[in-house]
Amino acid sequence: GAGVSQSPSNKVTEKGKDVELRCDPISGHTALYWYRQRLGQGLEFLIYFQGNSAPDKSGLPSDRFSAERTGESVSTLTIQRTQQEDSAVYLCASSLSYGTALGCTFGSGTRLTVV
Amino acid sequence: KQEVTQIPAALSVPEGENLVLNCSFTDSAIYNLQWFRQDPGKGLTSLLLIQSSQREQTSGRLNASLDKSSGRSTLYIAASQPGDSATYLCAVSSYSSASKIIFGSGTRLSIRP
Repeated sequence: GAGVSQSPSNKVTEKGKDVELRCDPISGHTALYWYRQRLGQGLEFLIYFQGNSAPDKSGLPSDRFSAERTGESVSTLTIQRTQQEDSAVYLCASSLSYGTALGCTFGSGTRLTVV
Repeated sequence: KQEVTQIPAALSVPEGENLVLNCSFTDSAIYNLQWFRQDPGKGLTSLLLIQSSQREQTSGRLNASLDKSSGRSTLYIAASQPGDSATYLCAVSSYSSASKIIFGSGTRLSIRP
C-alpha cells in the first residue's frame, strides 16, 4: 500500500483481556518495527523484524507481549491479560531494510486504553 | 550504546520568527538521521532524512544539517507559523544500536499567533 496501515485506530479493553494489534507495512519493506508511546512520553522500542531473520525482541516489557510476522507481510502485536499500564499508543514503522541509508515510515498508531 | 538528546524540551516563539531545534547523539557511526513531526494524539510524520554521507537536507521552510564528527544535527524552521506547532523528534539508526532506531525525547514547539 501507499503507507503503513495500523488497525484498529482505537481500542478500549477491560483489564485482563487479550488484545491484538495489526500492522500492514509498505509493500516491499523488509524491516518492521513496533514502538510504544505512553502519554507524554517518548518512544519505547518493542520489537524489530527483518525479513526471515530472527526478530529482535529485546524491547518487549514482559512475557505478556508477543509479536509475529510472516515473511515481509502483516505483523500482529498481542498483549495478553492487559493491565492499565499497557495503556499507550502503539506505533508501527517499516523501512526497505535496516542497515541502509534509508529512513522509516510510521503508521498512525493504535491508541489502547485499558479500563 | 547510542543515546539521542534533544534541546530544548519545549520552545514557545511568536509567529514569523526563525528557530533552531537541536539534536545530539553519542555515536557518530550512523546510517542516517531522521526528523519527525508529531501532532497531539497522532502518529509520526517524516520531515527530513539525512543520510550518513550528506551534510544537509531542505524541504520548503525546513532545513536539517548533520555534523557527524560532533554528533549534532539541527532543524532550522524559517518564518514560523502557528501550524508548525507540534512535537519534533530526532531519530538515529546506527551500527551500535543494532536493529533499534533510537529516538530523542522531542522538542515541544508552540508558535504564538
